[in-house]
Amino acid sequence: DQQVKQNSPSLSVQEGRISILNCDYTNSMFDYFLWYKKYPAEGPTFLISISSIKDKNEDGRFTVFLNKSAKHLSLHIVPSQPGDSAVYFCAASAIASGANNLFFGTGTRLTVIP
Amino acid sequence: GAGVSQSPRYKVAKRGQDVALRCDPISGHVSLFWYQQALGQGPEFLTYFQNEAQLDKSGLPSDRFFAERPEGSVSTLKIQRTQQEDSAVYLCASSLRPSEAFFGQGTRLTVV
Repeated sequence: DQQVKQNSPSLSVQEGRISILNCDYTNSMFDYFLWYKKYPAEGPTFLISISSIKDKNEDGRFTVFLNKSAKHLSLHIVPSQPGDSAVYFCAASAIASGANNLFFGTGTRLTVIP
Repeated sequence: GAGVSQSPRYKVAKRGQDVALRCDPISGHVSLFWYQQALGQGPEFLTYFQNEAQLDKSGLPSDRFFAERPEGSVSTLKIQRTQQEDSAVYLCASSLRPSEAFFGQGTRLTVV
């Protein structure tokens, strides 16, 4: 049972435009959400996170939005750059419940076209 | 090094062979995780250590999988009598806080 879902396996965006990657979750106990970026033959690299007490967190070109009522979060990248081309994983954790592990989605492959 | 280091990077094992995968976490990181990533999937949790204590092994798929971290630093994931379905990338991660895990490059295991 996939508790974190990324329903778009791939996304192509023109350089300079906005990339929007979406993620849905089913477990209402999740209270911390992260986005990881993964290049081929490398491990996932932490990108940005958000706590459930917030609805937005911004770091440079990257912004994560959280809609708790819809159990939905999204990652916005603006402006998109060719170096952003990678697989992006959404992950969630139930920290307040004492859980330590992350639940990952299946990833979205972003291609930024020059 | 500054990051999580895993070895070997690639391992080919014959079905039935035992394998051992090593993880060197970031110095000082108390928490250590092992994840399994099958082709086209996201990482899936296997087991969690806090220092040398294995606090959660609920994700280990069978009793052929065994993990240890005897001195609270380096960890080894051992798979006995490997099967083809064990073929995957095995990722190790370490963290100071539960909220942010830093991953190694992974070990790609191929069972033939």
